[in-house]
Amino acid sequence: EVQLVESGGGLVQPGRSLRLSCAMSGFSFDDYTMHWVRQPPGKGLEWVSSLNWVSGHILYPDSMEGRFTISRDDAKKSLHLDMNSVRIEDTALYFCVRDSSTNPPNFDYWGRGTLVTVSS
Amino acid sequence: QSALTQEVSVSGTVGQKVTLSCRGSSSNIGTYAVGWYQQVSHGAPKTVMFGDILASGIPDRFSGSTSGTTASLTISGLQPEDEADYYCSTWDSRLSGVVFGGGTKLTVL
Repeated sequence: EVQLVESGGGLVQPGRSLRLSCAMSGFSFDDYTMHWVRQPPGKGLEWVSSLNWVSGHILYPDSMEGRFTISRDDAKKSLHLDMNSVRIEDTALYFCVRDSSTNPPNFDYWGRGTLVTVSS
Repeated sequence: QSALTQEVSVSGTVGQKVTLSCRGSSSNIGTYAVGWYQQVSHGAPKTVMFGDILASGIPDRFSGSTSGTTASLTISGLQPEDEADYYCSTWDSRLSGVVFGGGTKLTVL
């Protein structure tokens, strides 16, 4: 059974850093691209970043380039998102998502999300 | 502003046929397959369709199609459990990234 379990969310002050993690199990990572997608309270879905497990190719939308860093830990079967210089507008539920197609994406499994609240 | 445009809200009665649309451009829907995702009460989204392929476990009253730069999700025989937010998504070659529509809130009256 495919499982994606996010962790690391919480309350963080503006300008600080936070690391989100996604524990993955039930599938062979080499066949997929992994994404982070976020959803601000009461709003829609927004793509944050992607990492192709075989090529290591990483992408970010222009709005998040430079502040967020996606990475992987093969030994711990985990995906990470390092968030630096966080802003109020980064407050959102962050989902770890598996993509079975890549280009275009086919988001076939979603985690339940981890909530990040940026506030002073 | 999203690269993909969806209706903010759509409503229908039980048994009715409803169609949700997702409007884009030649750099996204005009070139790439579209995924549709269902989200109930802000829980984890669930895949409904990718292109015209129904996701596992999704009833066949759901169907998808694309015409030019507009993708559509049709529900034939609306059921109370279909009430949810629906999002479309695809790749955009101009932005070199993944794009989502703003989402449509489907209400079953």
